[in-house]
Amino acid sequence: ETGVTQSPTHLIKTRGQQVTLRCSSQSGHNTVSWYQQALGQGPQFIFQYYREEENGRGNFPPRFSGLQFPNYSSELNVNALELDDSALYLCASGAGGSYTGELFFGEGSRLTVL
Amino acid sequence: DQQVKQNSPSLSVQEGRISILNCDYTNSMFDYFLWYKKYPAEGPTFLISISSIKDKNEDGRFTVFLNKSAKHLSLHIVPSQPGDSAVYFCAASAGRGQGGKLIFGQGTELSVKP
Repeated sequence: ETGVTQSPTHLIKTRGQQVTLRCSSQSGHNTVSWYQQALGQGPQFIFQYYREEENGRGNFPPRFSGLQFPNYSSELNVNALELDDSALYLCASGAGGSYTGELFFGEGSRLTVL
Repeated sequence: DQQVKQNSPSLSVQEGRISILNCDYTNSMFDYFLWYKKYPAEGPTFLISISSIKDKNEDGRFTVFLNKSAKHLSLHIVPSQPGDSAVYFCAASAGRGQGGKLIFGQGTELSVKP
């Protein structure tokens, strides 16, 4: 059973640029969620995808967008990067519209915006 | 509006003693609560959960207590071991199908001294 894998692990961008982060879900999971974790804070929910449809969104602007593919891998795209977007971005997968909330997290992609 | 709060940023405990981590929440719609553990450079790992219909759940050295009237939950680790040293996050979810949308607290860094 493979776990959740994310790429890249670290990246540096400048203000105004765009970034795409990728996630491969755990085998058998059809729900993927993305979280932003700023330094010293808990993860904050960005959005969730279930069977390739967005199924819930947190308090993030539209420049944060996502995709889930038929093989349940996923992308997080952030346009017009701002300094405050610097954070650890975590992908988490779960099974079947996951009621219980037991999510399996990847190690994260650390984004630095200069 | 911080719906899930962990008011202690850090906790230091002697090996073999009890560790008690606390969490408060404000949203009465939350019906599932979880604890995650996070080591540096790793994603959060699920530890233990509790449904709002219960007031206690136990798994080995870990017990979670829920006091709905006080909107408070706690995680007890007995006995504490040095390998338990990590950041612990309390999280909550509300409603069926919202399992991927977890609201996290800020985390408590536990240090278990040998």
